[in-house]
This record gives sequence, C-alpha cells and structure tokens, in this order.
Amino acid sequence: QQQVKQSPQSLIVQKGGIPIINCAYENTAFDYFPWYQQFPGKGPALLIAIRPDVSEKKEGRFTISFNKSAKQFSLHIMDSQPGDSATYFCAARNGSNYQLIWGAGTKLIIKP
Amino acid sequence: DVKVTQSSRYLVKRTGEKVFLECVQDMDHENMFWYRQDPGLGLRLIYFSYDVKMKEKGDIPEGYSVSREKKERFSLILESASTNQTSMYLCASSLIGQGVGELFFGEGSRLTVL
Repeated sequence: QQQVKQSPQSLIVQKGGIPIINCAYENTAFDYFPWYQQFPGKGPALLIAIRPDVSEKKEGRFTISFNKSAKQFSLHIMDSQPGDSATYFCAARNGSNYQLIWGAGTKLIIKP
Repeated sequence: DVKVTQSSRYLVKRTGEKVFLECVQDMDHENMFWYRQDPGLGLRLIYFSYDVKMKEKGDIPEGYSVSREKKERFSLILESASTNQTSMYLCASSLIGQGVGELFFGEGSRLTVL
C-alpha cells in the first residue's frame, strides 16, 4: 500500500514528441504528488507537483494529469527537446506521517 | 543560492573500511535525509533526521548509521563497508511537515567498495 508504481522504466522519443510517464498508487493517505528531474551527475530536483483536489497542472511544457478515482497520475512533456533527456521520478507524500514514497524512475531520451 | 553540499563526489574504499559521508545544508531545514540510488531501484531511504540528535530508520538502514550533531550537518557512516554498498548516495533536506515533498538534493557521492 505504500508503493508508487512508475512506468515505463525507459523511454525514447523523437524531438517534438510528447513523452508520457505514468505512476499509480494505492494509499489514499497520499496528499501531494511531486515529480523530480535528475540529470546525469546531479541530484534530483523538484520539477512540478500536484495536490489531489486538482486534475491537471501545467508549468511551461510540463503537465501533470491526476485521476483521483483511478489513483493514477502522469507527466506529459510537450514539444520535447534533447535537453529534457533525464531520469524522472514520481513520488507521493503520505499526509499521515509526511513520508515521501518514490517511484522507481524513468530514463527518458529525446532524440534530435 | 540554496545548497546541499556533499563533501565527497567519488570515493573508492576497501571491504571492511569505515566510511564517512558528510552532508551540509545552508537552508536552515529541519529535515535531512540519506538515500541510496541504484539503477532500476529508484531512491531508497536509508535514514532521516527531523532534528538535531534525532534519527529515524528508513527502508534500508542495515549496515549504516548516521549522526546529526548540528542542524546543518548530517553524516552517513558505513561501519564496515561491503561490496554490496557500492552505490550512489544522495543527501537531501527539507522543511518539516508539509515541507516534505520538496526535497533539496546534493549532487551525490558515488562510492565504490572493492
């Protein structure tokens, strides 16, 4: 129940395409869903986040879609660029104990 | 510019050696974390601390200990390094409570145990 399942493990998309990374959870105590972006040789950094009372959030080319009834959320990258190539992690915060549960990560490659 | 600094980017140690990984944050955050990152396994929490001298076990604490003597500093200790502890170690900090969710990470310490 504490897991966050992330897919796919890796993804290759042509420049300009829309990569989609999916995450699913079971625990209804989760109250905050961030996405982190990690470039090679760097630590992860917060990219965008959503709360469960909102179905979609956009920040620039990055969009989170949230389906509370299905307990799923996804990251879409519009007009993807080679500079978006990175590992992306979804996560979920447990509102009861404020622990952050991580997905396994998706390695994204955007081909020029 | 806010920062989490990990003192060693790359370390090579021998089996049985004692290893210290140091982490310092300049954001006055209450929470500090040590994660281990391995391909295909994501980020796994080793230990975290929500206050000076306080520590809590994460998901994989075996073989590790931590020390937090000052608010800004959180150390990870491998008492007797083993080859299965070869990994990337990430330190992070956050505000307490609802601040967990926005973690600030260091650049990582890549440890190789021979």
